Amino acid sequence: AQTVTQSQPEMSVQEAETVTLSCTYDTSENNYYLFWYKQPPSRQMILVIRQEAYKQQNATENRFSVNFQKAAKSFSLKISDSQLGDTAMYFCAFMKYIIQGAQKLVFGQGTRLTINP
Amino acid sequence: DAGITQSPRHKVTETGTPVTLRCHQTENHRYMYWYRQDPGHGLRLIHYSYGVKDTDKGEVSDGYSVSRSKTEDFLLTLESATSSQTSVYFCAISESFFKPNSPLHFGNGTRLTVT
Repeated sequence: AQTVTQSQPEMSVQEAETVTLSCTYDTSENNYYLFWYKQPPSRQMILVIRQEAYKQQNATENRFSVNFQKAAKSFSLKISDSQLGDTAMYFCAFMKYIIQGAQKLVFGQGTRLTINP
Repeated sequence: DAGITQSPRHKVTETGTPVTLRCHQTENHRYMYWYRQDPGHGLRLIHYSYGVKDTDKGEVSDGYSVSRSKTEDFLLTLESATSSQTSVYFCAISESFFKPNSPLHFGNGTRLTVT
């Protein structure tokens, strides 16, 4: 069974600092995707960044970037120049194929990130 | 934002009563999912649908049933609600695992409290 582990339940940094959230996963599959989702207090699940496992290049989206280490099964998220609006719960997720084109997301437990002014 | 509407947004119900949560999409996506979110567990898959009338169980399906009679609607039913089903429920939609850049898009969730 696939599992996703986020070892940092809570993190706190000052505004404008850089912060890295850790994520490891366990799978025997070769074709999969990895995601980071952000959940602010509004409860909405917002896609932050995605990574295809077959791509060696790390994904970046503006201030957000990942460090994808396939052999180590590690997928960390780096937030540069952090902003107050980045305060949220962050979930790492592994996506796999299940049946007839449907896909399943397996989530980590989440990291609660607080950006302090 | 993907056109996903969950109703109701909040619900309080008593143990033993039936409850139905609705997910409505305007994206015409084939795949729909129900997840529940609990502290310390992230989100876990309850049921999913890969087409009209085509559904299957996820990892935490006990006590839940689903139905999909139209592409746009996916219903989650708790036949007899229990306190362990107190949770936040999310609906999600997707196009296809095989379509590039096709992640899951989530609704805004339904907070269900079973007293």
